[in-house]
Amino acid sequence: GAGVSQSPSNKVTEKGKDVELRCDPISGHTALYWYRQSLGQGLEFLIYFQGNSAPDKSGLPSDRFSAERTGGSVSTLTIQRTQQEDSAVYLCASSLDFVSYNEQFFGPGTRLTVL
Amino acid sequence: GQSLEQPSEVTAVEGAIVQINCTYQTSGFYGLSWYQQHDGGAPTFLSYNGLDGLEETGRFSSFLSRSDSYGYLLLQELQMKDSASYFCAVEMNTGFQKLVFGTGTRLLVSP
Repeated sequence: GAGVSQSPSNKVTEKGKDVELRCDPISGHTALYWYRQSLGQGLEFLIYFQGNSAPDKSGLPSDRFSAERTGGSVSTLTIQRTQQEDSAVYLCASSLDFVSYNEQFFGPGTRLTVL
Repeated sequence: GQSLEQPSEVTAVEGAIVQINCTYQTSGFYGLSWYQQHDGGAPTFLSYNGLDGLEETGRFSSFLSRSDSYGYLLLQELQMKDSASYFCAVEMNTGFQKLVFGTGTRLLVSP
């Protein structure tokens, strides 16, 4: 079956513009996660969805970041008024559920460059 | 907060055995995971230790000691394709699988 997909694969934008990043999780996976990875760094947790609700938004760096998930499937991460420090690879992952440990399946990421 | 420390880079030759250590400072977690990431690729799951001790999956083994706040990933019979970054991650006891990742270890395997 298909894995986690993300679009666009690359996004170059100008400082101050808004961007939307999309994630399509594996069908049937109820848990969805967004991470950010700066060059040469580990993954930084941003937000988690269980179904369409986001019980933990603690990782969002600022109020310029928001995310939603609809139909228990597709999720969109929106960054408003982008700044140069937002440049990173944004990774989405999904897992079967959150009840017991399940490996997270990652998408290929969106490389965001803010000029 | 939580912090996980890993060596930044490890080098080895094909056929060798290499151990990548992960020391952590965190309170209350369910287990320790390991992920592999090739350059430009997505992280992929390798192993999970929910209990202390050794978990073996083919050429890869992972170990956890909660009393020592320490874990490691052991890679045997190294192959060139094992050249990648390896991340340890603690699964926090938040009620969902929140993973806190280390900064990663870059493994370079030479012929």
